[in-house]
Amino acid sequence: NAGVTQTPKFQVLKTGQSMTLQCAQDMNHEYMSWYRQDPGMGLRLIHYSVGAGITDQGEVPNGYNVSRSTTEDFPLRLLSAAPSQTSVYFCASSPDSVEQYFGPGTRLTVT
Amino acid sequence: QQQVKQSPQSLIVQKGGISIINCAYENTAFDYFPWYQQFPGKGPALLIAIRPDVSEKKEGRFTISFNKSAKQFSLHIMDSQPGDSATYFCAASLGFNKFYFGSGTKLNVKP
Repeated sequence: NAGVTQTPKFQVLKTGQSMTLQCAQDMNHEYMSWYRQDPGMGLRLIHYSVGAGITDQGEVPNGYNVSRSTTEDFPLRLLSAAPSQTSVYFCASSPDSVEQYFGPGTRLTVT
Repeated sequence: QQQVKQSPQSLIVQKGGISIINCAYENTAFDYFPWYQQFPGKGPALLIAIRPDVSEKKEGRFTISFNKSAKQFSLHIMDSQPGDSATYFCAASLGFNKFYFGSGTKLNVKP
């Protein structure tokens, strides 16, 4: 099993550009989440999903969209990138909404 | 407003010593309290977790102490080793994959 994979590992965007961060898991987990990690602020939940076709907002959803068309994939879309979205983004999956498995992260810089 | 407050921000411990990290919360609806360990450049990994109906849980050198009335929980690392040097995050869950994280503690265990 590859576990949770995220692409790309690094990305630089200009203000106003859009992009999609990819997340995939091969463990057949129902639950998936997106977090951003900023210095001194821990991880903050952006969006989460409790199964294919079901998503909900977390603490900091503004500027981000998600969809969950399959159990395996949970992409995160930045609609119009802003410097405040410079962060490290982590995707996680869980079989039971309790034990989370995190991906290796995507480091995003918006200039 | 941070849902889970973590202290200290950083901690230096001698090899063989005890590392203690504390977290506090306000929302009594939280029903699951995990601790995560994160090494530089990696995603967080679940270390140990506790439910609010238990006051203590021990796994090897790692112990969670939970005080429901004070709304506090802590991680104790016994016989701390240089390999334990990492950033530690506490978290709390409202269920259905909705987690709130503390701001993190950077632990440095000196040989």
